[in-house]
Amino acid sequence: QVQLQESGPGLVKPSETLSLICSVSGGSISNDYWSWIRQPAGKGLEWIGRIYTSGSTNYNPSLKSRVTMSVDTSKNQFSLKLSSVTAADTAVYYCAREVLWLVQFVFDVWGQGTMVSVSS
Amino acid sequence: DIQMTQSPSSLSASVRDRVTITCRASQSISSHLNWYQQKPGKAPKLLIYDASSLHSGVPSRFSGSGSGTHFTLTISSLQPEDFATYYCQQSYSTPRSFGQGTKLEIK
Repeated sequence: QVQLQESGPGLVKPSETLSLICSVSGGSISNDYWSWIRQPAGKGLEWIGRIYTSGSTNYNPSLKSRVTMSVDTSKNQFSLKLSSVTAADTAVYYCAREVLWLVQFVFDVWGQGTMVSVSS
Repeated sequence: DIQMTQSPSSLSASVRDRVTITCRASQSISSHLNWYQQKPGKAPKLLIYDASSLHSGVPSRFSGSGSGTHFTLTISSLQPEDFATYYCQQSYSTPRSFGQGTKLEIK
């Protein structure tokens, strides 16, 4: 059974770059979409973007200018970089697998989430 | 971009009550609508996909319906473990988007 685990600094300074890695275990990272989703404390879910194992990406236009995603199939990992962070980027960050079931995409596996705070 | 709007934002109910949560899309998304349940401190879990298909292992008291722009999630008889926050999500196009959530609380 596929499991996901986020890792990275829990504290980032304003204007710096937030970097997170999601490690995939129990299965291959190949042939699926891999997403990042965030959730500020007490608020709803925001889709940041996704990457396919080929390296093709889709980003949320609201964050596109600051987001970079990459995938390392040899390590079964994918990553998120968010530049020029502000306090508004403070949130729990989840990685998730998006799979195609018949004609429907679903987020079927999620990491446990990692809290990232932006503060000096 | 497609906006998803849920109502109500919060709901108080009792065990064994029947509850319905509504989700509306800003444009037609056919049946490309999923529902997730989230408990405090945990990641969301998939409940229903394709508007009305029950995910494996999800109790049959959960059901979904709708198409186009109007969708509902119904819990036929609330159990103590169902008190959580529920989110709808469209998978019709990118950027993916979620409703703002409905917090289901014990009355």
